[in-house]
Amino acid sequence: GQQVMQIPQYQHVQEGEDFTTYCNSSTTLSNIQWYKQRPGGHPVFLIQLVKSGEVKKQKRLTFQFGEAKKNSSLHITATQTTDVGTYFCAGRGFGNEKLTFGTGTRLTIIP
Amino acid sequence: DTAVSQTPKYLVTQMGNDKSIKCEQNLGHDTMYWYKQDSKKFLKIMFSYNNKELIINETVPNRFSPKSPDKAHLNLHINSLELGDSAVYFCASSLRGGASTDTQYFGPGTRLTVL
Repeated sequence: GQQVMQIPQYQHVQEGEDFTTYCNSSTTLSNIQWYKQRPGGHPVFLIQLVKSGEVKKQKRLTFQFGEAKKNSSLHITATQTTDVGTYFCAGRGFGNEKLTFGTGTRLTIIP
Repeated sequence: DTAVSQTPKYLVTQMGNDKSIKCEQNLGHDTMYWYKQDSKKFLKIMFSYNNKELIINETVPNRFSPKSPDKAHLNLHINSLELGDSAVYFCASSLRGGASTDTQYFGPGTRLTVL
């Protein structure tokens, strides 16, 4: 079955440093979504990428979908304490009803 | 005003008991889901219902039985609880479901602890 892995599993950064999490799927995806889960909270949708090579920005967050539509990345510039949480990618295969969540990257910020 | 709500928020129970978790969404969505999140934060889909019809049924022990009385509600009943069932259970909904670009809206979660 489809597997979606993320690296790193954990990342500790100093406030103000940049952060990147990488997402890799075992199969080609029709689209990929990113979610953020704050500590003690629930996953909240951030963005969706559909086209090969697509890049989208939300303020300090940059999301990229690979050319082969098998990988994606999320880059945060100049992290802030509000960025703390676990970031999940979630991919859907072609003709597949199931959204498969990645293993998640837990980000902690050192003030 | 809550979009996706779950009850209870916390559930502590003994091994062998039977318990239920309820979920309701007021977004008018057609599809609802149950996810299990373990202690390592892995988020795994368990079930999905579209308009009261079961469409995704992952490899889940048959002690777990979902029920959708209408498209706004999806409940999860668990029989003979085991220690390994301890986790956070999230309900979610999406507009259409299926092989679409729908995003999912999650409930606040139910933290189940089996003693």
